[in-house]
Amino acid sequence: KQEVTQIPAALSVPEGENLVLNCSFTDSAIYNLQWFRQDPGKGLTSLLLIQSSQREQTSGRLNASLDKSSGRSTLYIAASQPGDSATYLCAVRGGRGGSEKLVFGKGTKLTVNP
Amino acid sequence: GAVVSQHPSWVICKSGTSVKIECRSLDFQATTMFWYRQFPKQSLMLMATSNEGSKATYEQGVEKDKFLINHASLTLSTLTVTSAHPEDSSFYICSASRGGLGGELFFGEGSRLTVL
Repeated sequence: KQEVTQIPAALSVPEGENLVLNCSFTDSAIYNLQWFRQDPGKGLTSLLLIQSSQREQTSGRLNASLDKSSGRSTLYIAASQPGDSATYLCAVRGGRGGSEKLVFGKGTKLTVNP
Repeated sequence: GAVVSQHPSWVICKSGTSVKIECRSLDFQATTMFWYRQFPKQSLMLMATSNEGSKATYEQGVEKDKFLINHASLTLSTLTVTSAHPEDSSFYICSASRGGLGGELFFGEGSRLTVL
């Protein structure tokens, strides 16, 4: 059974700092890994999608890496801003048996202080 | 990114009534949609996988007679909470898959259900 773990559970940083969020998963036979952002009381916004054949994806100040063999992904946020404050969720799709399901970690709650 | 619309965004109902939540993919066709439930300060819990034209696949512990899912077209899936009770109060979120198994998932804005 696929399990996804995110560390840390919460993170508070001053504005302008670069930061890294970590995600690990137990079953490396995935189709892809996706990072999402969720604001309180809202749905999820897709940030980056990394296919299993890829090693990283970049979008603006965000960079996500994937090391499938070790079951790890990181989300790097450069020059953090107060508007980046949200919960960041890592999710993997696939696994042994070819499941369509997306399995989520519990998220990292990020607070960027002005 | 692609757009998934969920309606209503919030609903309050009396105990015993049924509530329908719609999930639409506005700019792509989705053969597969997923329904999640989220409790306060917790991550998303998958309730069921909805495939167009076939019966939904429910996760263990989810009552299929309580949570009716219909995926009648490639752009619309509905979740009906039947005979709702206060313990069904929650945040329900749908997602739609664009591009099959390796495709990206896009989420709706969620629907907050409060059962009095």
